[in-house]
Amino acid sequence: DIQMTQSPSSLSASVGDRVTITCRASQSISRYLNWYQQKPGKAPKLLIYAASSLQSGVPSRFSGSGSGTDFTLTISSLQPEDFATYYCQQSFSTPTWTFGQGTKVEIK
Amino acid sequence: QVQLVQSGTEVKKPGASVKVSCKASGYTFTSHGISWVRQAPGQGLEWMGWIRVFNGNTNYAQKLQGRVTMTTDTSTSTAYMELRSLRSDDTAVYYCARLYYDILTAYYSHLDYWGQGTPVTVSS
Repeated sequence: DIQMTQSPSSLSASVGDRVTITCRASQSISRYLNWYQQKPGKAPKLLIYAASSLQSGVPSRFSGSGSGTDFTLTISSLQPEDFATYYCQQSFSTPTWTFGQGTKVEIK
Repeated sequence: QVQLVQSGTEVKKPGASVKVSCKASGYTFTSHGISWVRQAPGQGLEWMGWIRVFNGNTNYAQKLQGRVTMTTDTSTSTAYMELRSLRSDDTAVYYCARLYYDILTAYYSHLDYWGQGTPVTVSS
């Protein structure tokens, strides 16, 4: 199975900060990489699909990049509602998909 | 609008089975897949498997093979996930999600809509 490793596991940041989360695949997954946001007690929400495509309705401060094994999710200016846990997921190795372990973004 | 509405909280004893439902609305049910994802308390997301709604073909995570069955009822636009021989480490919130099918690439791409989650507790 393809392993997905996110870094950092957690981070503290202030409102207005630029935040970058990294996701690394154990083998090349082309651009088959999705990002989700999850708030406590809620279902995950799709932010980015196919590495860099912004899901409809998601604010433009979220962006994704990368291909092959290395990917990033960037929040250009952190807002109070962005404090959450973020997960990457590969959709290359169909039918078996895997998630990263998550990155918790906390208030500094 | 697309909605996935799941069945309610379940409490089961070890060795029992649970069947969670997921009723879809707001789109053509057979045009996309349905995936199931679970989350143990305080843990990350675990992909369980998915079903191609149009033909019923399924793919399951290897660790759940033999214990899980995913089905759909296209007449009611409802998906089901049954997990058997429950253990304490099956305690989790279980989510269904729409698995978007990209017609242009003929590829199941991402999970764009999610149900609200169904808590399942396994305890003696």
